[in-house]
Amino acid sequence: SQQGEEDPQALSIQEGENATMNCSYKTSINNLQWYRQNSGRGLVHLILIRSNEREKHSGRLRVTLDTSKKSSSLLITASRAADTASYFCATDATAYNTDKLIFGTGTRLQVFP
Amino acid sequence: DTEVTQTPKHLVMGMTNKKSLKCEQHMGHRAMYWYKQKAKKPPELMFVYSYEKLSINESVPSRFSPECPNSSLLNLHLHALQPEDSALYLCASSLVSGANVLTFGAGSRLTVL
Repeated sequence: SQQGEEDPQALSIQEGENATMNCSYKTSINNLQWYRQNSGRGLVHLILIRSNEREKHSGRLRVTLDTSKKSSSLLITASRAADTASYFCATDATAYNTDKLIFGTGTRLQVFP
Repeated sequence: DTEVTQTPKHLVMGMTNKKSLKCEQHMGHRAMYWYKQKAKKPPELMFVYSYEKLSINESVPSRFSPECPNSSLLNLHLHALQPEDSALYLCASSLVSGANVLTFGAGSRLTVL
């Protein structure tokens, strides 16, 4: 069963604007990760946030985690055309075998120059 | 070397063919994964190898047969596939198993005629 759902499914913005995407999950977790995928390519790890952390930054990325609401958000500030990609959250789901990393449905981001 | 290399990049096969997808990493990672991804969908876990032993099989049909000859190599043997098996097959690795950060290959695009 799918662990994470993301919204919006698709997001279109202009360069320089901020992009926010949200991830909700169903069971308790040890950590949550965000990955980016350019069209038809492999996924690239962006950031990992542990269940005892509430916020984490990496360059133009800001991730928040609210375990009480079972949700996370990824904020990309000052977006660039090169940020155009699909973004997936992924959780380990302590209710399952922790060898499993389960991906959310993804948000397709398009940044127009 | 910080890469996961997948070959071939593209594969077209008939339903009676036998083919293999290959994956290689030289990062000393001891966990390796196969994911299947259909268009506009998240990656779905198929198999996990931990220390060269199969630790997870997500009820994948037997026409997909994984093999881990050594800690650097992962194969996926394909036989008698169906057109609905056409997808992007992604290999990934992590330092150890346990839903750690995954390093993905670029994927093998499979088309079954």
